[in-house]
Amino acid sequence: AQSVAQPEDQVNVAEGNPLTVKCTYSVSGNPYLFWYVQYPNRGLQFLLKYITGDNLVKGSYGFEAEFNKSQTSFHLKKPSALVSDSALYFCAVRDFYSGGGADGLTFGKGTHLIIQP
Amino acid sequence: GAGVSQSPSNKVTEKGKDVELRCDPISGHTALYWYRQRLGQGLEFLIYFQGNSAPDKSGLPSDRFSAERTGESVSTLTIQRTQQEDSAVYLCASSLDVVKKLFFGSGTQLSVL
Repeated sequence: AQSVAQPEDQVNVAEGNPLTVKCTYSVSGNPYLFWYVQYPNRGLQFLLKYITGDNLVKGSYGFEAEFNKSQTSFHLKKPSALVSDSALYFCAVRDFYSGGGADGLTFGKGTHLIIQP
Repeated sequence: GAGVSQSPSNKVTEKGKDVELRCDPISGHTALYWYRQRLGQGLEFLIYFQGNSAPDKSGLPSDRFSAERTGESVSTLTIQRTQQEDSAVYLCASSLDVVKKLFFGSGTQLSVL
């Protein structure tokens, strides 16, 4: 079975400061990892993904995430937060080894990121 | 079309009635997902279609919920004998395959009175 945890319901960061949104996962094999963002009154949008290769993945809007296999984590980061980054962020995982048949993408419960001016 | 289309955008129904929600994925996308998002909550996986493989129904909360997809086209999610706890936004997403990014529709807001 696969699962993903976002331990923080809400993260508050002052504008201009670095931000981190935490995500840990559990899979049987190797993970496919994703971050999605849901802005107020807008649909979910893809930010970035890790499939294989470099552990540091760069995505949209200046976000990046680091895959850490030993800690089973995929934390989302940005060096300097903007007020416009305020949104709901979802981490998602899929087990590379699906064991046959279809396997859904499992999302975390989401983390509200609030950037204060 | 340009994106994933869901209809209706809003549905108000009475407890005990059946509802059918529709999703038109992006043309050529073999993978299609249904998720549920209750107010203030995260995404709850419901069902996943991938090409001609057997769908992953592991997320369906009860036998009142079912979904179909014909080939790689339209999907319908049916909820029978709706209950108030079914009230949520039902989101559909599609992708080229399991490692590609998902494109989400705007969702159907279901309200069961």
